[in-house]
Amino acid sequence: DTGVSQNPRHKITKRGQNVTFRCDPISEHNRLYWYRQTLGQGPEFLTYFQNEAQLEKSRLLSDRFSAERPKGSFSTLEIQRTEQGDSAMYLCASSLRGETEAFFGQGTRLTVV
Amino acid sequence: GESVGLHLPTLSVQEGDNSIINCAYSNSASDYFIWYKQESGKGPQFIIDIRSNMDKRQGQRVTVLLNKTVKHLSLQIAATQPGDSAVYFCAEGDSWGKFQFGAGTQVVVTP
Repeated sequence: DTGVSQNPRHKITKRGQNVTFRCDPISEHNRLYWYRQTLGQGPEFLTYFQNEAQLEKSRLLSDRFSAERPKGSFSTLEIQRTEQGDSAMYLCASSLRGETEAFFGQGTRLTVV
Repeated sequence: GESVGLHLPTLSVQEGDNSIINCAYSNSASDYFIWYKQESGKGPQFIIDIRSNMDKRQGQRVTVLLNKTVKHLSLQIAATQPGDSAVYFCAEGDSWGKFQFGAGTQVVVTP
């Protein structure tokens, strides 16, 4: 257990539905990252926060994706109008500013049917 | 665009032998390079990192080598154990802490 918690662990949804994932980082970590990973591939960067500020969004993050970290603690990632291509593992990680070591959660596996 | 990649998709190693995992990168502006280990069903786990101004760094049973001339990164694992079986990713990072991962190498430790 790395201390980063993600919920739910698994989500099956029908195409077109909206889904929301939650990440609880290590409490003192001010940086929080979202990544997406498909089978056999490395994680792909989606977005990251420093405290409550969203600093960067990947081009992979279409308008259907939105992430928030309202109080600089937990974060949510919402996908609207899900598509089959959204099926993947969504990983959250946190770190301290200036530290290279990021701690990953176990991920939320999304299956869009 | 810039990318990080691995030479070998699968590495089979006998228990007790040393393992070497290789990685090529193309973004010479990266500030540091990191190795992660991912076991089945888990998120990536940090192993070791190296700053771009270094060429070697050692940890517990692991050594990372950085050759900036040929843009090559390697991870050496000494006395490989069954618990080392996993997928290993190299990643490159910038000063903001954003990482770009390669595709991964599956390490299989055989008895």
